[in-house]
Amino acid sequence: DTGVSQNPRHKITKRGQNVTFRCDPISEHNRLYWYRQTLGQGPEFLTYFQNEAQLEKSRLLSDRFSAERPKGSFSTLEIQRTEQGDSAMYLCASTLGQGSYNSPLHFGNGTRLTVT
Amino acid sequence: SQQGEEDPQALSIQEGENATMNCSYKTSINNLQWYRQNSGRGLVHLILIRSNEREKHSGRLRVTLDTSKKSSSLLITASQAADTASYFCATDAAQGAQKLVFGQGTRLTINP
Repeated sequence: DTGVSQNPRHKITKRGQNVTFRCDPISEHNRLYWYRQTLGQGPEFLTYFQNEAQLEKSRLLSDRFSAERPKGSFSTLEIQRTEQGDSAMYLCASTLGQGSYNSPLHFGNGTRLTVT
Repeated sequence: SQQGEEDPQALSIQEGENATMNCSYKTSINNLQWYRQNSGRGLVHLILIRSNEREKHSGRLRVTLDTSKKSSSLLITASQAADTASYFCATDAAQGAQKLVFGQGTRLTINP
């Protein structure tokens, strides 16, 4: 069983640099989510896709953040001009969603970003 | 803002004892889910309870839901060292929201 895969696992970057993370969801899952988690807190919703369409973005997602899911398969999350406040674990999750019913999410192990 | 709030924030018990965690939320929901997270890893789904259900069991886990009080509890019976983790409740919103909103979690430590 291939789960949700995230790369890289860790990323250290200097303030002002751009970074890109990749998420490969479970193949038959049509919904893909990005969350951000800081130490001691629960995951905070960033954005989600149904197939290739980005259907919702959190107000947390500033103009420096962009996410794509071309062809409804893998997804990328890019952060431009990183700031120290962007340091966090970025989690990707996928599910087979039907209508408004939320089925369980399958999470990857996350990408830990450290901005120095 | 986060929908759910867990209580307590941290819990430390002896192996073999039962652990109870509580979750309160603010808006009407379709379902409530509980997840576990080991340090440095992603979250793992434990159990889902729908708004028209009051109690659900899965192995050593028992979840209750009281929609009138907008609260849920997770009971882990006969705790084991491997249960040491953070536990999060997550809710959707009944009015068509497609995302789960997580609480801040309860950090559970099982002492051998």
